Amino acid sequence: DTGVSQNPRHKITKRGQNVTFRCDPISEHNRLYWYRQTLGQGPEFLTYFQNEAQLEKSRLLSDRFSAERPKGSFSTLEIQRTEQGDSAMYLCASSSLKGARNGYTFGSGTRLTVV
Amino acid sequence: QQPVQSPQAVILREGEDAVINCSSSKALYSVHWYRQKHGEAPVFLMILLKGGEQKGHEKISASFNEKKQQSSLYLTASQLSYSGTYFCGTESNTGNQFYFGTGTSLTVIP
Repeated sequence: DTGVSQNPRHKITKRGQNVTFRCDPISEHNRLYWYRQTLGQGPEFLTYFQNEAQLEKSRLLSDRFSAERPKGSFSTLEIQRTEQGDSAMYLCASSSLKGARNGYTFGSGTRLTVV
Repeated sequence: QQPVQSPQAVILREGEDAVINCSSSKALYSVHWYRQKHGEAPVFLMILLKGGEQKGHEKISASFNEKKQQSSLYLTASQLSYSGTYFCGTESNTGNQFYFGTGTSLTVIP
């Protein structure tokens, strides 16, 4: 198992453009989370999937953000009409179940810069 | 809903001990501890499930008081490699959200 994989590692985009990030979790993990982290802050919860179902979504998440996990495997996070405030590290994490003894495994993240 | 950690930052000399505290306002199912180094993803250290257990990981251990909804991380005989930002993470009894704490920056100097 190669762990949680995120692509791309870095993305620079112009304000107003759409961007899409991909996360491939550990294959047997059915729980998948997206977080956003800005410099000096802790990861901020964005959304949660159990298999293909999006069960939780942060109230702080604007309508410009959407996430999918179509077959319960990989997930995508799309940001439409990007703004400079969207610049951050976007982290994906997966786990096998609530309270899993191995915790959550994080990918290396996608660093987004909106110029 | 974000757990609060204290202290915000601590500087240690090699070999010294430290305690990091995490406090939540919600009833907790579990508490996790992670360490994040600059520019890297958080790395899982340990999980404590409700029941007041204490766990250890090398010279790093933690306790969980579910009645007080608090957890503490104990670092003993600190090493340079312990430097980083420590986050607690909490799973509540209800729901599936996993919240990270406010973070504690730990710097170990020679």
